Amino acid sequence: KQEVTQIPAALSVPEGENLVLNCSFTDSAIYNLQWFRQDPGKGLTSLLLIQSSQREQTSGRLNASLDKSSGRSTLYIAASQPGDSATYLCAVADMGRRALTFGSGTRLQVQP
Amino acid sequence: GAGVSQSPRYKVAKRGQDVALRCDPISGHVSLFWYQQALGQGPEFLTYFQNEAQLDKSGLPSDRFFAERPEGSVSTLKIQRTQQEDSAVYLCASSSETGLATEAFFGQGTRLTVV
Repeated sequence: KQEVTQIPAALSVPEGENLVLNCSFTDSAIYNLQWFRQDPGKGLTSLLLIQSSQREQTSGRLNASLDKSSGRSTLYIAASQPGDSATYLCAVADMGRRALTFGSGTRLQVQP
Repeated sequence: GAGVSQSPRYKVAKRGQDVALRCDPISGHVSLFWYQQALGQGPEFLTYFQNEAQLDKSGLPSDRFFAERPEGSVSTLKIQRTQQEDSAVYLCASSSETGLATEAFFGQGTRLTVV
């Protein structure tokens, strides 16, 4: 059974810092990996999707990498802003299964 | 519509009451998923539809949980005889393809509180 772990569980940084969020998964047979953002009381907003054949994806200040063989992904946020404060969730789509398996998330607070 | 719409946003139910949660996916999306998110945790899969066919219900926690999508668009998640442990946010997601898993779009969720 796929298990997804996110480290750290919570992170507080001053505005302007670059930061890295980590995600690991136990079964490397995946279709893709997706990073989401969740604001308190809200649904999930998709940030980046990396197909299994890709190594990284970039969107603005966000860069996500995927090392499928080692079961790891990182989300890099450059020049963090208070508006980046949210919970960041990593999820994988396993081969042969449509559903996503999520980690528990990293709660990020960026202090002005 | 522009996004996945869920209603109601909040529901308070007395223990033992039946509830029905509605999901309106993005127009034309074939795949629809329900997830349950407990406080402080990531979402957990409940069930998956491809058009009107329920292809995977392995995540439903008990036979009190039932989902349907009779016309391949709107879906309803029904919980019978609610219990306190059913309190959670119920999220609906849709995606456009049935082949390789593609990007999933989520609704705002329904927060269910059983008292």
